[in-house]
Amino acid sequence: DVKVTQSSRYLVKRTGEKVFLECVQDMDHENMFWYRQDPGLGLRLIYFSYDVKMKEKGDIPEGYSVSREKKERFSLILESASTNQTSMYLCASSLTGGTGVGEQFFGPGTRLTVL
Amino acid sequence: GNSVTQMEGPVTLSEEAFLTINCTYTATGYPSLFWYVQYPGEGLQLLLKATKADDKGSNKGFEATYRKETTSFHLEKGSVQVSDSAVYFCALSSGGSYIPTFGRGTSLIVHP
Repeated sequence: DVKVTQSSRYLVKRTGEKVFLECVQDMDHENMFWYRQDPGLGLRLIYFSYDVKMKEKGDIPEGYSVSREKKERFSLILESASTNQTSMYLCASSLTGGTGVGEQFFGPGTRLTVL
Repeated sequence: GNSVTQMEGPVTLSEEAFLTINCTYTATGYPSLFWYVQYPGEGLQLLLKATKADDKGSNKGFEATYRKETTSFHLEKGSVQVSDSAVYFCALSSGGSYIPTFGRGTSLIVHP
């Protein structure tokens, strides 16, 4: 069974802390994504990666960075957490081609609270 | 650019009622269309998909038909259950892009 896992389901951090959210997929997918989900705003793409060490900004990259050193792992970094980054963070992965193009597989999410 | 419009929720139904959640889209080319479901406290999971016009995707009693002439992909279920309570997202992928466009989601609440 295909799987995307995220390092924490719930996380509480203080303003100004550096925060790491980790995501691992076991499907050998080329593409990985980080979204945040807020009530009334749906899913918003933060960053995505289409290959190891490659990254592209999504719609709301400000205040975030990412790292992809291995194909299966994609990390989201909040350099200095702020209260407006309190949100649900979802990681996803997908294939580049074939009949599954565009279909994404999601992790369970990390609910981050910044105090 | 691409866009997906879903009906606003919440949609509140009694158990065994008929469900329709509307989804219309704007896209270049011939998109693939998806419905995802998000149960409380979980990530999204693919519910069904359709990759060309007139295709019908189906899963767990849910169905949606890819209507190119009306640019729609409405989700239907004949008899909902309390366990169907969730948020439903319509999405598309077009032009060979692996980055989908999502609707804002529609919350479904089913009462016993």
